[in-house]
Amino acid sequence: QKEVEQNSGPLSVPEGAIASLNCTYSDRGSQSFFWYRQYSGKSPELIMFIYSNGDKEDGRFTAQLNKASQYVSLLIRDSQPSDSATYLCAVNMKGQGFSFIFGKGTRLLVKP
Amino acid sequence: NAGVTQTPKFQVLKTGQSMTLQCAQDMNHNSMYWYRQDPGMGLRLIYYSASEGTTDKGEVPNGYNVSRLNKREFSLRLESAAPSQTSVYFCASSERARQALSYEQYFGPGTRLTVT
Repeated sequence: QKEVEQNSGPLSVPEGAIASLNCTYSDRGSQSFFWYRQYSGKSPELIMFIYSNGDKEDGRFTAQLNKASQYVSLLIRDSQPSDSATYLCAVNMKGQGFSFIFGKGTRLLVKP
Repeated sequence: NAGVTQTPKFQVLKTGQSMTLQCAQDMNHNSMYWYRQDPGMGLRLIYYSASEGTTDKGEVPNGYNVSRLNKREFSLRLESAAPSQTSVYFCASSERARQALSYEQYFGPGTRLTVT
């Protein structure tokens, strides 16, 4: 059973701090990794994806991938109250481009 | 450019009734998906269509059927609704990114379905 694990939270951080969201996956054949943000009552919105080991930065967001440890993370710098949402990690298996496994999400609360 | 649209936004059904959820995308994507999202369960893939004319089962296909009507439209049908199908249903579409290693999925606004 292929699994994607996330801490459900809530993760509470003060405004301006760095929020660190973590995700582990079970299948070593996983190839691409995605972070989605979902506000309450809304649909998931793609933040960024990563498929090479290391860091990928996009504005205040940095995705980190460590395939040896089967671990992917999302860092949010200078956290804002508007970043309060549930963050979903999704994994795409190699050779199965249409098969995405989603984690259950981590709820982030940024307090003013 | 509306992206992915879904109808209806809300629906209440009685057990045993049937209905079709509609989805359309205007991004010229080849691939389309149907997910359900339940509290504590995350997003689970029901069916997907890799390209026009093809459909395949996902993780939880039982009780559902799909039709890829054309490149733009992908519908989900519940033939005999059950309370266990109470959920939020999301349609998504994707295209292979330039790097050819990722499929960036874009989601519709969702349909909240309650089966009593």
